[in-house]
Amino acid sequence: AQKVTQAQTEISVVEKEDVTLDCVYETRDTTYYLFWYKQPPSGELVFLIRRNSFDEQNEISGRYSWNFQKSTSSFNFTITASQVVDSAVYFCALRWDSNYQLIWGAGTKLIIKP
Amino acid sequence: EAGVTQFPSHSVIEKGQTVTLRCDPISGHDNLYWYRRVMGKEIKFLLHFVKESKQDESGMPNNRFLAERTGGTYSTLKVQPAELEDSGVYFCASGLTEQETQYFGPGTRLLVL
Repeated sequence: AQKVTQAQTEISVVEKEDVTLDCVYETRDTTYYLFWYKQPPSGELVFLIRRNSFDEQNEISGRYSWNFQKSTSSFNFTITASQVVDSAVYFCALRWDSNYQLIWGAGTKLIIKP
Repeated sequence: EAGVTQFPSHSVIEKGQTVTLRCDPISGHDNLYWYRRVMGKEIKFLLHFVKESKQDESGMPNNRFLAERTGGTYSTLKVQPAELEDSGVYFCASGLTEQETQYFGPGTRLLVL
């Protein structure tokens, strides 16, 4: 079965703290793709990153970093020095190679307090 | 470059009425997807167009939902007749190729009373 689990329903931190959002996936396929999307209060889904199953290198983009570990089937997202503008719902998603539909986690609502 | 646009942003209708949602993909994107998120649930895939052809409609919940993409440009999703459980946010996404990232629109929030 293909499944994405985001166990953290809501996280609240104070601005400037680091925060990690967890994503655990299940798939029988050897070729698959993982994604993170951000949904700010305005509602649109904003693409953040895509990772394929053959690329386990960690990715850093400014204050954002992603840790992909196939051994634990996890693709965690860390925000360093969080800011109020990071407040949003963050979704992790999975797609396998022979199918183009995205399988979504339930999302994690991140609240950054000033 | 304009992103994916969806119209209307919100729609409130009564049970039994018909509603048509529209999605304009990013120019040049042959692939168009519809997803929806009903209250308290995960975002779920509805269907996938490649140009004007339905590539995968395995997620369409029932025959009250009809999606079209005439001419391979914009797409419409019609719900007829609407039921209470159809309430949710309907997202449209587009991608240059099937392998490429899907870029999403702002969604249409549908409330069926």
